[in-house]
Amino acid sequence: AQSVTQPDIHITVSEGASLELRCNYSYGATPYLFWYVQSPGQGLQLLLKYFSGDTLVQGIKGFEAEFKRSQSSFNLRKPSVHWSDAAEYFCAVGGISSASKIIFGSGTRLSIRP
Amino acid sequence: EAQVTQNPRYLITVTGKKLTVTCSQNMNHEYMSWYRQDPGLGLRQIYYSMNVEVTDKGDVPEGYKVSRKEKRNFPLILESPSPNQTSLYFCASRPGQGLGAAFFGQGTRLTVV
Repeated sequence: AQSVTQPDIHITVSEGASLELRCNYSYGATPYLFWYVQSPGQGLQLLLKYFSGDTLVQGIKGFEAEFKRSQSSFNLRKPSVHWSDAAEYFCAVGGISSASKIIFGSGTRLSIRP
Repeated sequence: EAQVTQNPRYLITVTGKKLTVTCSQNMNHEYMSWYRQDPGLGLRQIYYSMNVEVTDKGDVPEGYKVSRKEKRNFPLILESPSPNQTSLYFCASRPGQGLGAAFFGQGTRLTVV
């Protein structure tokens, strides 16, 4: 079955500290992986995406993610968080065919401690 | 500016009163979809459309209808809303081919009383 698991419902980190949000996926074909961010009252904004090539991908707002095929993981990282990073983060997986849908994890809410 | 526009942003309605949430995209994307977002459940796909006049059910289609008469528009119709359809709804679009990510609208918060 195709699925995305984000094991952390809520994470709190101090401003300036490093961040890692976990994501594990199950997908039968070659996965196309995404991280989206949702600020309060807003839609989802794409942070980064991965299909092939370098397994460490850079995104917007200083985020990066590393694809580890052996662990079926695609964890999101940021070296130093800012108060404006407080939001909900969604990991998603899809395929490359026009018929494939994007499956979302249940999200991780990030709070920033001043 | 590339965008997906949903209207209305907020809606309170009564059980059984038909409503339509509009969605329009300006990127000439073939693929459009509707999601609902509920706490702890992430986003679940309601319906999707791969092109004009081509629509199909997602994971939670019961109680919803859609149409795709034009490429840019993909309205979501609730013929007889019920309180369990109270949710945050998102429309999204992406290219039909290739590795395009989805663009999302700002969301419609629907309350059915």
